[in-house]
Order: sequence, then structure tokens, then C-alpha cells
Amino acid sequence: EAQVTQNPRYLITVTGKKLTVTCSQNMNHEYMSWYRQDPGLGLRQIYYSMNVEVTDKGDVPEGYKVSRKEKRNFPLILESPSPNQTSLYFCASSLSGLGFETQYFGPGTRLLVL
Amino acid sequence: AQSVTQLDSQVPVFEEAPVELRCNYSSSVSVYLFWYVQYPNQGLQLLLKYLSGSTLVKGINGFEAEFNKSQTSFHLRKPSVHISDTAEYFCAVSEDSGYSTLTFGKGTMLLVSP
Repeated sequence: EAQVTQNPRYLITVTGKKLTVTCSQNMNHEYMSWYRQDPGLGLRQIYYSMNVEVTDKGDVPEGYKVSRKEKRNFPLILESPSPNQTSLYFCASSLSGLGFETQYFGPGTRLLVL
Repeated sequence: AQSVTQLDSQVPVFEEAPVELRCNYSSSVSVYLFWYVQYPNQGLQLLLKYLSGSTLVKGINGFEAEFNKSQTSFHLRKPSVHISDTAEYFCAVSEDSGYSTLTFGKGTMLLVSP
């Protein structure tokens, strides 16, 4: 089954404790992206990647890191989480990042930073 | 840069009634338009998209949307809603210029009651 998977689905952590949220897709997509969803703000893009070793900032990149060492994986790293990063995070992928393509979303990771 | 406005944060409606969710966009170039749906505790999935051609686009689950270039709108409609349509609906836009990021509106929560 074609899908985007994320782990963990739920995470509670404390301020300053480094964490990684994994994202993997099995559709051989070149483009991958991370979004955060906050009430009343919709989805905002954090980082995206056009291909292996190619990443770029989205609209809200502060406090986040990403890497793209393999085509299928695109982990999101919070090196020193803060309470304002409490949010619902989605990973998405599409074939090559062209504007007309459908993006496929993971199930989401709900993060609480205390 | 493109932007999307969803004027209604919540739309309550009774089962079997018609519904329209409004979406307006802004862009200096031609665009592609999307509606995504997020059911409770799930990721987003594509409902329908407008790329070119006929301005009336039909999607899954009986939804349709009409692209109106002069009014820069892409409103979503369904003639008769079901309880199972209760979800959050996101309008999104990308630019018709090769590689383009997807910009989302803030979402409209459709609440269907019996």
C-alpha cells in the first residue's frame, strides 16, 4: 500500500530535550515536506526537500532541522524543543514537487513540549 | 507569493442539507487549486483539484468545486451532506510555474448534525 508513515504518533517531552520525528514514504517520491498545524493557523510549511541532499526552508523553519540522506526518509529534528513547538506535525510527499501534483500526507505526530 | 483565505472557520449544517465552503485566493500568476479534507485524528487527503480546462471540478464523496478566475474563488459544494462529512476542509493553492510550494488556508470545520 502506498503510504507516508510517521513515528511516533504522539510524543510528550520537556523543554530542551532533543527529539526526532521520522517520516518515510514508499512511493519513490522525490519531494518531501514537513508542515505544522495549529488551531486557527492552518498548515504552515517548515522545511521541504526536492531530492536527496537537497533541502530548503519553508515559512516557519526556526527551531527545526531536517536531513535527506535517503530518498524515502525525511526526519524532522528539534534539537532544543520549546513549548511554542507544541503542535501537530505532518509529513507529506509528492512525485517531484511540481505545482500540479497531489501531496500525500502522513497520519500526523502530535507533540507536546512541557 | 500566493495566499488563500477561507472566511468561515466553522460551518454548522444539518444532515441532508446543502453546503458551500468558501475559498478565495491571491496570486500574481496562474494557479492550481486544491481542496483537502482532514477527518478526525487523520492526515489530509485530496478531495479534488483544479489544474485547467472545465471550471467545475468533481471530487470524491459527492463534492464539487467551481473555479472562478474573475472572482479569484474556488468554493466547495455538496448538495446533501452526511454525518460522515464532518471534518476539517482546507483550500490550498500552488503556482503554475514549475516547482511550487503548496499554500494552505486556515481551514473550515464542517459540523454535520442529525
